[in-house]
Amino acid sequence: QLQMQESGPGLVKPPETLSLTCTVSGGSISSSGHNWAWIRQPPGKGLEWIGNIYYSGSTYYNPSLKSRVTISVDTSKNQFSLKLSSVTAADTAVYYCARQALYQLLPNWLDPWGQGTLVTVSS
Amino acid sequence: SYELTQPLSVSVALGQTARITCGGNNIGSKNVHWYQQKPGQAPVLVIFTNSNRPSGIPERFSGSNSGDTATLTISRAQAGDEADYFCQVWDSNTVFGGGTKLTVL
Repeated sequence: QLQMQESGPGLVKPPETLSLTCTVSGGSISSSGHNWAWIRQPPGKGLEWIGNIYYSGSTYYNPSLKSRVTISVDTSKNQFSLKLSSVTAADTAVYYCARQALYQLLPNWLDPWGQGTLVTVSS
Repeated sequence: SYELTQPLSVSVALGQTARITCGGNNIGSKNVHWYQQKPGQAPVLVIFTNSNRPSGIPERFSGSNSGDTATLTISRAQAGDEADYFCQVWDSNTVFGGGTKLTVL
């Protein structure tokens, strides 16, 4: 059974860079048919998709975050990572990683999700 | 950018049928996915590609999609179905609805 686990600092100072890693277990990150995604959820609010990556390194990013986001993959470690630069308090959120299925050649549903990690941006 | 509109809240009596809508321009032409999120937990996929249930999701959960509205239907609602529900589509990037809080009375 595929499992996802986020890791990284829980506190980041503005305007530094937020860095998180997602470790995939129970399956290979190099499998075809899936992208690997990051999603976030500010406290008490809805879900916001950040972006995803295919094992080959090709990416899709949310246009609203694209200028600050970098997603990378390390197939040797079965991990993918998120970097979000120039953070502000508005970037405080629970950050989730998830597998995103490719359907009709496009990213579609997200399953499974990691448990999420709260990142607080504060000086 | 594409927008998805969900009601903020829906209430249903125990054992009755709840319907949660997700509105979007010609959403019937897109693949809609639904997630259930209970407090303090990660979202869980309950419906993918409009009407398909992942393994382990009860048959009480069903979905439909036509025109400008997609609908998640929960039959014989149980107390354990109380949660936030989010719809999602792909439109050049992944878009989520704002979420609906389901209350089981």
